[in-house]
Amino acid sequence: GAGVSQSPSNKVTEKGKDVELRCDPISGHTALYWYRQRLGQGLEFLIYFQGNSAPDKSGLPSDRFSAERTGESVSTLTIQRTQQEDSAVYLCASSLAGTGPSGANVLTFGAGSRLTVL
Amino acid sequence: RKEVEQDPGPFNVPEGATVAFNCTYSNSASQSFFWYRQDCRKEPKLLMSVYSSGNEDGRFTAQLNRASQYISLLIRDSKLSDSATYLCVVKVDYKLSFGAGTTVTVRA
Repeated sequence: GAGVSQSPSNKVTEKGKDVELRCDPISGHTALYWYRQRLGQGLEFLIYFQGNSAPDKSGLPSDRFSAERTGESVSTLTIQRTQQEDSAVYLCASSLAGTGPSGANVLTFGAGSRLTVL
Repeated sequence: RKEVEQDPGPFNVPEGATVAFNCTYSNSASQSFFWYRQDCRKEPKLLMSVYSSGNEDGRFTAQLNRASQYISLLIRDSKLSDSATYLCVVKVDYKLSFGAGTTVTVRA
């Protein structure tokens, strides 16, 4: 597509429920990133995909968080047994390549999925 | 120590003023540098890449000092529409690290 699409744009859930957040990157972008941004704070790295592989999952805060990517395209971030501290905007971004010349590394972000855990 | 540190501001400036701010980064192996802009409750968008020799994009000038590991952004003749949070971004290999942002408010 023309841009990075994320869904849902807003999700309100009860503590303890599971949620799935979806990201459709720009077609042809091999690198895909998930970031989390809590209210009034900076972006926190969660996970990086190169193709369908995730060479860096170091930012996932706990084993309740998981992500996958299929077809070198769509990615899903799953949060199990949500807690109130999971409330944040989850941003997905893609780029042509993860490494190499800086021009290929420019990230295009989706509009984010705003998660509120009650 | 954070990988990228920025003065959070806010910088409140009148229209037409010049405003400048820096960020510092901790990893000397950092390879690429960027400034992103984030409007309130919106996603970050690329403002400009930062090159070693310094570069301009209209009213925006970015400088990189590798020896001191800092990056600067200068906005000339500021407009109301420049009001935003400016994010300093540093890349090592595939990983992009974001500063927490510097908030700029331009007033009429």
